[in-house]
Amino acid sequence: SYEVTQALSVSVALGQAAMITCGGDNIGYKNVHWYQQKPGQAPVLVIYRDSSRPSGIPERFSGSNSGNTATLTISRAQAGDEADYYCQVWDSSTRVIFGGGTKLTVL
Amino acid sequence: QAQLVESGGGVVQPGRSLRLSCGASGFTINKYGMHWVRQSPGKGLEWVAVMSKDGRNKYYADSVNGRFTISRDNSNNTVYLQMNSLRPEDTAVYFCAKDYYDRSYMDVWGKGTTVTVSS
Repeated sequence: SYEVTQALSVSVALGQAAMITCGGDNIGYKNVHWYQQKPGQAPVLVIYRDSSRPSGIPERFSGSNSGNTATLTISRAQAGDEADYYCQVWDSSTRVIFGGGTKLTVL
Repeated sequence: QAQLVESGGGVVQPGRSLRLSCGASGFTINKYGMHWVRQSPGKGLEWVAVMSKDGRNKYYADSVNGRFTISRDNSNNTVYLQMNSLRPEDTAVYFCAKDYYDRSYMDVWGKGTTVTVSS
């Protein structure tokens, strides 16, 4: 079955750009979606179909996907961006796969 | 505004059953795929099950296949998760989520309901 991998944690200085990656075999051929989850809260969609941003999500959030890596980029990181971030894909249209999640710390 | 509210969680002994409900408002569930996703304490998100928008297709994670059943009641605009033969490792917060269309991304999430399987 298909697997995706994420780093356990990423740290970024306040105001700098954070890059969170999601690796998978030829993931560039799949649609990748990203969710933000803060402690005690439900996940929130922040990027869909690799690079589209839902209404209400700041322009600082962007995404890309090519080859074996999809990337969520948070530019000008703020303290409020501290959260767990999960990538999601479909495996052969019958199964949803989540990455293990990346904890973003803003220093 | 689309909203989802889960209910039915609680403490249950191993081997017993529990049924979770997910009430929808602001949209009609039979026009969208609907998912259940869970999160064990301190762990990441784990997809559990999905029902296609036409209701004909249901898919499950290997960890629950044969024990859990997803269903829906269109008249009540509610999605269910019947959980049988519960195990301690099923302990988690269970989220209901709406698919954007069908086999896409999850654009609306409920706040979750907690299931604890313990003797």
